Amino acid sequence: DIQMTQSPSSLLASVGDRVTISCRASRHVSSSVNWFQQKPGKAPEALIFGASTLHSGVPARFSGSGYGTDFTLTIVSLQPEDFAHYYCQHTYSTPWTFGQGTKVEV
Amino acid sequence: EVQLVESGGGLVQPGGSLSLSCTATGFTFSRYWMAWVRQAPGKGLEYLDIKDQDDSKRRSVASVQGRFTIFRDNAGSSLHLQMDTLRTEDTAVYYCARVVLEKEWLFDVWGQGTLVTVSA
Repeated sequence: DIQMTQSPSSLLASVGDRVTISCRASRHVSSSVNWFQQKPGKAPEALIFGASTLHSGVPARFSGSGYGTDFTLTIVSLQPEDFAHYYCQHTYSTPWTFGQGTKVEV
Repeated sequence: EVQLVESGGGLVQPGGSLSLSCTATGFTFSRYWMAWVRQAPGKGLEYLDIKDQDDSKRRSVASVQGRFTIFRDNAGSSLHLQMDTLRTEDTAVYYCARVVLEKEWLFDVWGQGTLVTVSA
């Protein structure tokens, strides 16, 4: 199975900050990486698919990049509603594993 | 409104069985692959299984193979997860999700989740 490793596991940030979350695949996954946001007590929500394409309705301050094994989720100008957990997931070959998550907190 | 609603969670003893359901509304259920994902308390997301539109293909994770069975009822717009031989480590919130092939198999719509607790 392909493992997805996110870093950092948690980070402290302030409103207005630029935040970068990394996700590394244990082997090549092309651009088959999706990103999700999850707030406490809620279901995850899709942010980005195909490593870099914004899902409909997602604010433009979110962006994704990467190919192969290294991927990045960037949030420019962090907003209060962005404090949450973030997960990457590959869909290159089943099982489509998730990263362990990154908590963005104040 | 596109919506998924899970049901069937609860308390079950180790070794027991439980059946979860996910009812879809607001879209043509039969056109989509569907997935189950779980989240143990305080932990991350774990992919479990997906099912194609025709109820013929599945791609489950090793930890549930032979114990969990995913199936669907297109006429009833519902997805199901039959869980047998449950273990304490199966305790989690179970989510169903819609899968969009054209968006790199994105899980674009999620249900609210149903809690399964496996304990004596």
